[in-house]
Amino acid sequence: AQSVTQLGSHVSVSEGALVLLRCNYSSSVPPYLFWYVQYPNQGLQLLLKYTTGATLVKGINGFEAEFKKSETSFHLTKPSAHMSDAAEYFCAVSSNFGNEKLTFGTGTRLTIIP
Amino acid sequence: DTGVSQDPRHKITKRGQNVTFRCDPISEHNRLYWYRQTLGQGPEFLTYFQNEAQLEKSRLLSDRFSAERPKGSFSTLEIQRTEQGDSAMYLCASSPTRRAGGYTGELFFGEGSRLTVL
Repeated sequence: AQSVTQLGSHVSVSEGALVLLRCNYSSSVPPYLFWYVQYPNQGLQLLLKYTTGATLVKGINGFEAEFKKSETSFHLTKPSAHMSDAAEYFCAVSSNFGNEKLTFGTGTRLTIIP
Repeated sequence: DTGVSQDPRHKITKRGQNVTFRCDPISEHNRLYWYRQTLGQGPEFLTYFQNEAQLEKSRLLSDRFSAERPKGSFSTLEIQRTEQGDSAMYLCASSPTRRAGGYTGELFFGEGSRLTVL
């Protein structure tokens, strides 16, 4: 069984400030981890993923995330927030790379303050 | 570049009516997924197909729900005798199989079909 917990359903940061969105997972097997972003009236799109190898992964739009097995975490960060980052962000876990039956968290809505 | 398309985008129906949603995946993708998203929740897996074969169904998919992908291209999701609890966004996604060229583990989502049951 797998699960994902996203702490904070709403996060607000000032433009130019650090963005930190938290994700903790539970998985009985080595996990594959994903962050998806959903802009208003658009479908979800992949930001970044961790499968194997380097634990710090970089994605699109300046986002990155670090897989920490000891903490069962996969937090998403961006050094400097931009107005265009306002969206809903979903962390997801899969137990099998090659079968995208994902278990998603409940999402975090990011608001950017001008 | 044609992405995943879903139709209709919005559907309002009365309780007890049947509704059908259609999904057209990216043409070279042989895997197709259906997810459901309710307000304040993340997407929940419903079912997936590899080509025309339905390989897995979630327990969320009651016997009032049926999904098909008859020719391994587009898919339909039908809900019979709708209930108010069926109100949600129904998301379709597609991906190539791992052996296919260009596989990245990414799911490509459509914009969803929003169902409101009155």
